[in-house]
This record gives sequence, C-alpha cells and structure tokens, in this order.
Amino acid sequence: KNEVEQSPQNLTAQEGEFITINCSYSVGISALHWLQQHPGGGIVSLFMLSSGKKKHGRLIATINIQEKHSSLHITASHPRDSAVYICAVSRGGAQKLVFGQGTRLTINP
Amino acid sequence: DTEVTQTPKHLVMGMTNKKSLKCEQHMGHRAMYWYKQKAKKPPELMFVYSYEKLSINESVPSRFSPECPNSSLLNLHLHALQPEDSALYLCASSQNSDEQYFGPGTRLTVT
Repeated sequence: KNEVEQSPQNLTAQEGEFITINCSYSVGISALHWLQQHPGGGIVSLFMLSSGKKKHGRLIATINIQEKHSSLHITASHPRDSAVYICAVSRGGAQKLVFGQGTRLTINP
Repeated sequence: DTEVTQTPKHLVMGMTNKKSLKCEQHMGHRAMYWYKQKAKKPPELMFVYSYEKLSINESVPSRFSPECPNSSLLNLHLHALQPEDSALYLCASSQNSDEQYFGPGTRLTVT
C-alpha cells in the first residue's frame, strides 16, 4: 500500500462543476503539498499546508491531521483547470517528498 | 524572480553520447533537486543538494552525475544512458524544507 493515496485516479466533469480530489496518507508528516501538472509541462506548487485550510482564487485546500486526510476543491471549474493534480507529503523537516499517484482531471466545456 | 529555468527543453541523445542538463534559480534557495518522471507517473527523486553539498542520492546509477557549481546552478551530466532513461527530468528548488518550486523540465529521449 502506498504511503500517499489519491482518489479518484481520473475525473471528468463539465465546466462550472465543483471538484473535489482526496488524499489520504499513512505516515506522520510535517506538511502536505498539492501540485498541478499540465500535459507535457512542469509542476506548479498550489498549496503547502500543515493544518486547517488555505484558499487561492477558486482553489481551496483543507487538511485534517487527526484523520490523515486532505482535500483539494476547485469551484466553478474551467477547461483550463484540466491537469494532473498530485498530492505529496514531507516528513519531519526532510527534503524528500512522498508523492501520490496523481488525479487526472478533465473539464469539458 | 520566482522562476526555476531548465535547459534544454528537449534533448535527443545516443547511448554513447555525453550531455548535460542545466537548472538555474535566483531565489536564494539553498536546496536543489533532480527528479525523473516517466509518463503518467509521479516524479521520482534522484538527488538533493543542500548548501551546494550532495545530501541525498536515491541510489541513482552512476551514468547520472550531478554537480552543483554554485548556489544558483545545478547540472546533471549524462553518459552512456539507456533507452529506459528516456523521461522528463525536472529540477526544483526550495528554501530548506519549504515549498518546492519546479522548473518546466527537460524531455530526454535516448536512442
């Protein structure tokens, strides 16, 4: 079993829908990261959080440390949100990230 | 400047060639990383440099040789690669254990 599990693996939705991507982890962490990767492209860091909730534009990330679970929400989704979203955790101040397998999101117009 | 740059964007090399990938950042970050990413897979960590010293080597074959000439620059020297080494090579930087900033990657094809 992977230390970081994401669901769903693939998600297709219509423009405007509210999107939720989930991430569960099985180890103690110092921080959880949400990353975005467009096809053929580099990776953009969306959020780094260790507690509570963060919001940036239409994106919201939450984390529940007790339940070892995080969610990434996208409100009013748009085709340009189509990308792979990757959850990763860092442990005890270590520089190494442990990655989930990614969620491939497709938003149709 | 909040950007990590990588050159070249694309590289095709034969198995007997020697080539280098370059990564640069001017954010004052003291940690720099090399990742390898195969299609539809998450990145795999290869090397970490911290304060210009190699701090993590994830048992990477010696045909990959990292170099950190100064705090802004990270190179990956390639020699005698195999076709299975074809992948997207990503560089990242961070201030210690903080959020990592990724470059756009170099897409490497080994023929």
